[in-house]
Amino acid sequence: AAGVIQSPRHLIKEKRETATLKCYPIPRHDTVYWYQQGPGQDPQFLISFYEKMQSDKGSIPDRFSAQQFSDYHSELNMSSLELGDSALYFCASSPLAGGTYEQYFGPGTRLTVT
Amino acid sequence: GQSLEQPSEVTAVEGAIVQINCTYQTSGFYGLSWYQQHDGGAPTFLSYNALDGLEETGRFSSFLSRSDSYGYLLLQELQMKDSASYFCAVNTGGFKTIFGAGTRLFVKA
Repeated sequence: AAGVIQSPRHLIKEKRETATLKCYPIPRHDTVYWYQQGPGQDPQFLISFYEKMQSDKGSIPDRFSAQQFSDYHSELNMSSLELGDSALYFCASSPLAGGTYEQYFGPGTRLTVT
Repeated sequence: GQSLEQPSEVTAVEGAIVQINCTYQTSGFYGLSWYQQHDGGAPTFLSYNALDGLEETGRFSSFLSRSDSYGYLLLQELQMKDSASYFCAVNTGGFKTIFGAGTRLFVKA
């Protein structure tokens, strides 16, 4: 079965640089979520999209922005990177079928800011 | 503020039963989910409760009491591969999900 695809899997950037993370949800899933997870921490909700429209925002810094495109893939853009942005970034998609909210997570992008 | 409380660590032996509790205080509540995450891996969905009661899926069961803002995940016939972190998560409305800090489960032989 198709899973959520994230690219790149690893990314190394320097402070003040920009980064773009990509997410390809499972086909026919209409909701996409982005999370940030630091070492030993829980996933922190950043932002979500439903049917290509931004739905909810969590603890997403103003330096970050995201969008979902017509083909349903999503991109998280991160600017003026800081050392504290080093984390695992997960994208998840959800079908909403049956009214459940089960989320299928991608393998994550490990971002290291030096 | 919004908070989900769950124990930080639980240890159990192979074949045993373990219960991981989760209490929540959130501005909205649409359902309680449970996720498993192995070190270095992605969270994997285990169960979802929107209504009070018990949901059973194989060796895993999840319970919800909305009046008590409380739920638990029950793992039966523990196996070594169940050693992982378990997160409870609340859908607070729309498409926003808040995760608990996670419970690290150690299964001993």
